Amino acid sequence: QVQLQESGPGLVKPSETLSLTCTVSGGSISSYYWSWIRQPPGKGLEWIGYIYYSGSTNYNPSLKSRVTISVDTSKNQVSLKLSSVTAADTAMYYCARGLGTSVTPFDSWGQGTLVTVSS
Amino acid sequence: DIQMTQSPSTLSASVGDRVTITCRASQTISDWLAWYQQKPGKAPKLLIYKASSLESGVPLRFSGGGYGTEFTLTISSLQPDDFAIYSCQQYNSYSLTFGQGTKVEIK
Repeated sequence: QVQLQESGPGLVKPSETLSLTCTVSGGSISSYYWSWIRQPPGKGLEWIGYIYYSGSTNYNPSLKSRVTISVDTSKNQVSLKLSSVTAADTAMYYCARGLGTSVTPFDSWGQGTLVTVSS
Repeated sequence: DIQMTQSPSTLSASVGDRVTITCRASQTISDWLAWYQQKPGKAPKLLIYKASSLESGVPLRFSGGGYGTEFTLTISSLQPDDFAIYSCQQYNSYSLTFGQGTKVEIK
């Protein structure tokens, strides 16, 4: 059974770049779509973007100018970079896998990692 | 973006009750809709996809319906493990969006 594990700094300063990694174990990263999704405290889910194992990407238009998602198939990892962060980017960040050969829905999720933006 | 609106925001119910949550899309999404269950401190869990297809391992008391702009998630007989937040998600467009969530709490 595939497992996803997010990792990265829990505290990021305003205007800096948030960097997270999702490590996939128990299965290959190949042939799947991988997304990043976030959830501000007490609020709903927001899709950030996805990447195919081949490297093609698609981002949420509202975040597109600040987001970069990349994949390292040799390490079975997917990474997220979000630049120029503000307090509004404080959230639980999840990585998730698309069902079968689809972008979505998401059938496997990491446990999430809380990122706080504060000086 | 396609906006997803769930109702109610909170639902108080008892064990054994039949409960229904509604999700409305701001434009037609065919049947490209999924439902998730989320418990405190946990990641969401996929319950239903393509509006009415039950994900493997999900109890049969969960069912989904609808097409176009209006969708429902029904729990036929609420169990103690079902008290959670339920969220819908559309995937008709390349910009994926979620509803704000419905909290099912103990009456």
